[in-house]
Amino acid sequence: DVKVTQSSRYLVKRTGEKVFLECVQDMDHENMFWYRQDPGLGLRLIYFSYDVKMKEKGDIPEGYSVSREKKERFSLILESASTNQTSMYLCASSMTSAYNEQFFGPGTRLTVL
Amino acid sequence: QKEVEQNSGPLSVPEGAIASLNCTYSDRGSQSFFWYRQYSGKSPELIMFIYSNGDKEDGRFTAQLNKASQYVSLLIRDSQPSDSATYLCAVNGKADMRFGAGTRLTVKP
Repeated sequence: DVKVTQSSRYLVKRTGEKVFLECVQDMDHENMFWYRQDPGLGLRLIYFSYDVKMKEKGDIPEGYSVSREKKERFSLILESASTNQTSMYLCASSMTSAYNEQFFGPGTRLTVL
Repeated sequence: QKEVEQNSGPLSVPEGAIASLNCTYSDRGSQSFFWYRQYSGKSPELIMFIYSNGDKEDGRFTAQLNKASQYVSLLIRDSQPSDSATYLCAVNGKADMRFGAGTRLTVKP
């Protein structure tokens, strides 16, 4: 079975802090994704990566950056956390073909005070 | 127009009934379509995918695709209280996947 893990289930940070969210997958998937999920807004894509050191902006990249130094690991960075970044963050991975489904990690619920 | 649209619900059905969930999409070039189930506080899990026009059945679940109408649906037969969740429709994009906002289903005993 595909396993996607995320570094924390719950995280509380203060405004202005730099926040790192880490995601690791163990199935050698080429593609990795970061989403945030808010009530009534569904899943919104922040960034995705289709190869090591490659990244593409999603729908809402502002205030975020990403890093993919190894194939299995994809990090989301909040350079200076703000209260409007309080959300559920979901990481996902998939194989290259557009026909392949995405597998999700358990999510990180981030609260910025 | 949103790329993937779903009725947000809530949709309430009695136990044993058929639940019908609908989704429309805007990109005619889309080739693959997915239904995810998400329990409250959990991450989405894949329950069905469909690539060709017509019906695809898996146990109590049937996915239906009509590319001409740009319409995907999910039928859940013999609905159980454990089916109560939010159901997300997803459609492949150029390099990623587009998700609908989800339909919340409640199955009442």
